[in-house]
Amino acid sequence: GDSVTQMEGPVTLSEEAFLTINCTYTATGYPSLFWYVQYPGEGLQLLLKATKADDKGSNKGFEATYRKETTSFHLEKGSVQVSDSAVYFCAQTGGGNKLTFGTGTQLKVEL
Amino acid sequence: GAVVSQHPSWVICKSGTSVKIECRSLDFQATTMFWYRQFPKQSLMLMATSNEGSKATYEQGVEKDKFLINHASLTLSTLTVTSAHPEDSSFYICSANVQTGSYEQYFGPGTRLTVT
Repeated sequence: GDSVTQMEGPVTLSEEAFLTINCTYTATGYPSLFWYVQYPGEGLQLLLKATKADDKGSNKGFEATYRKETTSFHLEKGSVQVSDSAVYFCAQTGGGNKLTFGTGTQLKVEL
Repeated sequence: GAVVSQHPSWVICKSGTSVKIECRSLDFQATTMFWYRQFPKQSLMLMATSNEGSKATYEQGVEKDKFLINHASLTLSTLTVTSAHPEDSSFYICSANVQTGSYEQYFGPGTRLTVT
């Protein structure tokens, strides 16, 4: 069945460091791919999305490219801030508007 | 825009009692709402898909008689955990589609249920 695999956390970085959170998916067909972010005490928020191969989603300095050949959608940011500390979820669409989520990766950014 | 609220944010109940969780879309009409369960350090597990005016569709392994879902209006869906047991303790999250056919879901802040 469909599944999403994310790198385990927590990921701890210093401010202004480069961030990569890996995400790979398995799906039949051509799913849409998403990154959601969950700040402490809040609900999930859509961070970015890509709907077809080679699309690049971007928002707030974060980017992810839909790579069909490697079934990946890695999240990157060139310079993280303390305010980026949160849990990041990779997700893909399935049938009937459903989303399948990865396990989430906690990011901690320190001064 | 596209704000989803949940109430209560946390609840403690005794084993054997029932508890209702509300999910509301505050500034849009949600034709479809989803209910998820999240265990500590684990992913969100879809429990059921709720469409306004029709019966919810439950995922495999989810007891529909235990987790009652009602989507009475385009802005409100409720999840009732009946005869709750300690193993039902979890974080319950709802989400809503802004428009039919769209894959984009907007999430509520979640409800922490503790059954003692």
